[in-house]
Amino acid sequence: AQSVTQLDSQVPVFEEAPVELRCNYSSSVSVYLFWYVQYPNQGLQLLLKYLSGSTLVKGINGFEAEFNKSQTSFHLRKPSVHISDTAEYFCAVSDLELTFGQGTILTVHP
Amino acid sequence: EAGVVQSPRYKIIEKKQPVAFWCNPISGHNTLYWYLQNLGQGPELLIRYENEEAVDDSQLPKDRFSAERLKGVDSTLKIQPAELGDSAVYLCASSRGGPAGTEAFFGQGTRLTVV
Repeated sequence: AQSVTQLDSQVPVFEEAPVELRCNYSSSVSVYLFWYVQYPNQGLQLLLKYLSGSTLVKGINGFEAEFNKSQTSFHLRKPSVHISDTAEYFCAVSDLELTFGQGTILTVHP
Repeated sequence: EAGVVQSPRYKIIEKKQPVAFWCNPISGHNTLYWYLQNLGQGPELLIRYENEEAVDDSQLPKDRFSAERLKGVDSTLKIQPAELGDSAVYLCASSRGGPAGTEAFFGQGTRLTVV
């Protein structure tokens, strides 16, 4: 069985500030981790994924995430956010199917 | 490359009526998924197809929900009869299949409102 917990349902932040969206997972099998972004009335778009190798994963739009096996975490970070980053972000764990967290709404204020 | 296409984008029906959603996956993608996304929550898997075979339908409420994937390409998800609690976004996704961790690509979803 696998599950994902996103620790913050909403994260407000000012433009150009750094942000971290937290994600913890549990999985009884090999760990494959993903972050997806969902803009209003849109489907989900892949930001980045961890399959193996380097624990620091870089994705699109300046986002990165770090896999921490001992803490079973996969937190998403961006050093400087833009208004356009306002969206909902989903962490997911996968074996053959994706299991998603509840989502974190990131709101970037001017 | 065209993405996953879903139709309709929006649907409003009265309770107890039937409704169907259609999904056209990315060409060459053998694996197709239907997810249910309730407001304020993450998507939850309803069913996964490998080609035309439903390999995981354990979360599909079979008393009112049905799905098919004829010829292993397009897929249809049906609800009959619809209930008020079925109001949600229904997402279709596809992937090349193969090893775990293969990326899934999502359509824009169908937003269902049952009144």
